[in-house]
Parts: sequence; C-alpha cells; structure tokens
Amino acid sequence: GDSVTQTEGPVTLSEGTSLTVNCSYETKQYPTLFWYVQYPGEGPQLLFKVPKANEKGSNRGFEATYNKEATSFHLQKASVQESDSAVYYCALYNTNTGKLTFGDGTVLTVKP
Amino acid sequence: GGIITQTPKFLIGQEGQKLTLKCQQNFNHDTMYWYRQDSGKGLRLIYYSITENDLQKGDLSEGYDASREKKSSFSLTVTSAQKNEMAVFLCASSPQGYEQYFGPGTRLTVL
Repeated sequence: GDSVTQTEGPVTLSEGTSLTVNCSYETKQYPTLFWYVQYPGEGPQLLFKVPKANEKGSNRGFEATYNKEATSFHLQKASVQESDSAVYYCALYNTNTGKLTFGDGTVLTVKP
Repeated sequence: GGIITQTPKFLIGQEGQKLTLKCQQNFNHDTMYWYRQDSGKGLRLIYYSITENDLQKGDLSEGYDASREKKSSFSLTVTSAQKNEMAVFLCASSPQGYEQYFGPGTRLTVL
C-alpha cells in the first residue's frame, strides 16, 4: 500500500529562522501530494497541493517541490513566525483507491 | 464557504459501551470520511462514503460501524469501547476526494 514518512518531531525553532520538514513517499501510482496544517483545537486544513511531478506548491510563505525521482516533497519556509506553530502533515492521494494517506505529522514550535 | 460540525466535542464512555459520534456538513460535498487521530500518529481512515447510503471500509474499520443517512450527515459508532482508549475522531468531506475539509474533532476517553 501507500506510505508517507516525514521528519519526526518535535521541531523547535526561533522566530526568523528557516524550516525544512522532510517528507518521502511510496506508491505504485502517480499521486497528488499535499501539505496540511493543524492548529490546536482544530482539524487539519489544506496548506497547498501539487498535482504534477517537478512542480512547486506554495502558500503563506511555505513551499514544496514534488520530486518524482527522489519520491520526496519537503516543506520549506525561509523565515518562520510564532504563528506558524502547529502540526504539519504530508499526504498522498491515490487516484485509484480514492484514499488520502497521511504521514505521522511533525509538531513545530516557534519561539519568539 | 461551508462548515463541518462534529458532536459531541468531548465524549466520555465506559468500557464495553456503544458510542455514537455525529458529523454534519453544509458544503454539499458528495464524499465524507471518518479518521482516527492518535497522539503522535497520522490520521488513519476508518470509514468513508462517496454518496448517501454508501459505505466503504478504511484501514481501521474493525470495531466501528458507520451510517450515511443523508448527504449532509455521517455518523460513526464505536461498537464496544475499549478501556484506556483515547483518541480524536475527525470527520471530513470532499467534493472530489483529494482536497478534504475537516471538522474540529471529537475527543474520546474511555474509563
């Protein structure tokens, strides 16, 4: 089946520093890849998606490139803020099964 | 815009008890999902439904039943709650399957 592996947390950063959360995936299909973010007390919400290989997705200063050769989709942000503190999930959508497979999540805490 | 409402927000039950969680959406989406979220783990799919009265098992369906009586609502039943079980149950809906909109969750504690 499909699987997604991402950076184990928790990750603690100071405001203004850069963020990388690694994500790698395994699937026999051609997936659409996503990053979701979950703030305390809320459900996950879509941060952005990238449906095609070698393309980049971005939103709110976060970005990730769908690298088909390396089967990776790392999340990056150049300068994090305290409000970015949340749990970040990498996810893969399999068009054949219709299922979304999530990684285990990475807890990010940004200190002022 | 729309919203997903999950009730109750907190659910405390006894071991062996049958417990029901409810989800309502006003997006008019066809597909709805139930996920279980354990601390430090990703979201695991329990059941999903692609239309009214349809049910599809996910990877974690054992111990659960689901019901989609109408397009806007999707219920999940824990058939026999296990002691020390603690998790957040998340409901989601989607217009096309891959971009999912989540509710705030129901937090379950079993005593």
